[in-house]
Amino acid sequence: DAKTTQPTSMDCAEGRAANLPCNHSTISGNEYVYWYRQIHSQGPQYIIHGLKNNETNEMASLIITEDRKSSTLILPHATLRDTAVYYCIDLSKGNQFYFGTGTSLTVIP
Amino acid sequence: NAGVMQNPRHLVRRRGQEARLRCSPMKGHSHVYWYRQLPEEGLKFMVYLQKENIIDESGMPKERFSAEFPKEGPSILRIQQVVRGDSAAYFCASSLLDRGPFNYGYTFGSGTRLTVV
Repeated sequence: DAKTTQPTSMDCAEGRAANLPCNHSTISGNEYVYWYRQIHSQGPQYIIHGLKNNETNEMASLIITEDRKSSTLILPHATLRDTAVYYCIDLSKGNQFYFGTGTSLTVIP
Repeated sequence: NAGVMQNPRHLVRRRGQEARLRCSPMKGHSHVYWYRQLPEEGLKFMVYLQKENIIDESGMPKERFSAEFPKEGPSILRIQQVVRGDSAAYFCASSLLDRGPFNYGYTFGSGTRLTVV
């Protein structure tokens, strides 16, 4: 089963930054943290991944704590189309991604 | 470069029939993973395959479910004698390399929605 912990749901005002936390206290030293999202039953969509350093791409930023036990996904300017379930995943258990229940983010107009 | 292609997008089967779900990985990807998502639930891992090999089927139900990834052609998830509880979205993902030390992520398909009536 997933070894990450995320809040069940969050709201964010449109245009504001959405900060989604994740605890992954059992992550191994060489394991990346991945973030995916699923928009209304579509296939999961890759967002970003990181190991130790903070990462940024065109979709989001990923802030990883120094002890690597938690991370925060930041959507800098949330839009209505960012409403989705966001999954934080680590691969500590083996070859597969284990999806927990994720965080259901609702962007409010 | 087409993404992961799954077909059909929607599949309706009567109880007792067989369901065959197909997944064509991204070009150059030789690792395929199947996930199932029951209504209002998260994705659950089912099986991990490489060409002509099943690497990990720890998430597959013991009966009625099978998967293959032949040398040529798509990966197939086969469900025999379907029951209503098999109704779900089935997602396929592919990756370029085994996990190893490189930590490559997956690319998911759009899924097949199976409805058993």
